[in-house]
Amino acid sequence: SYELTQPPSVSVSPGQTANITCSGDKLGDKYAWWYQQKPGQSPVLVIYQDTKRPSGIPERFSGSNSGNTATLTISGTQAMDEADYYCQTWDSSTVIFGGGTKLTVL
Amino acid sequence: EVQLVESGGGLVQPGGSLRLSCAASEFTYSNYWMSWVRQAPGKGLEWVANIKQDGSEKYYVDSVKGRFTISRDNIKNSLSLQMNSLRAEDTAVYYCARVEASQGVFDVWGQGTMVTVSS
Repeated sequence: SYELTQPPSVSVSPGQTANITCSGDKLGDKYAWWYQQKPGQSPVLVIYQDTKRPSGIPERFSGSNSGNTATLTISGTQAMDEADYYCQTWDSSTVIFGGGTKLTVL
Repeated sequence: EVQLVESGGGLVQPGGSLRLSCAASEFTYSNYWMSWVRQAPGKGLEWVANIKQDGSEKYYVDSVKGRFTISRDNIKNSLSLQMNSLRAEDTAVYYCARVEASQGVFDVWGQGTMVTVSS
């Protein structure tokens, strides 16, 4: 079965750029989606179809996907961006989530 | 406001059954695929099941096949998950989510309902 692998944690200083990776076999041939989840809250979509940003999501969030790796980039990271981030893709009609990455802003 | 509200969670013994419901409002429910996604305590998201707009196609994660059944009522704008032969590893918050098919996204999520499987 298809798997997505994320680093368990990423740390970044305020104002710096955070890169969160998501790896899967030939992931670049599929689309990747990214969700943000803060403690006690439901997930929120931040990037869809590799690079697209939903309305209401700040421009500092961007995405890319090539080869075996999709990347969520947060430029000028703010304290409010501290959260868990999950990548997701589709494998036929089933859904695969990565294990999640805890982003710490310190 | 577009909304999904889950209900039906609770404490159940191993081997028992539970039925979750999700009430949809303020959108044309019959136009959307719907899903259940769960999250075990302190763990990541796990997709559980999808159902097509008319209920004609259903897909499940391997770990629940044969035990869980997803269904929908497009008159009542509701989604259900019948869970049988429950195991401790099914303990999780269960989210109902709307699928925006053209974008492939879970664009609306409920607040979740907690299911605890324990003796």
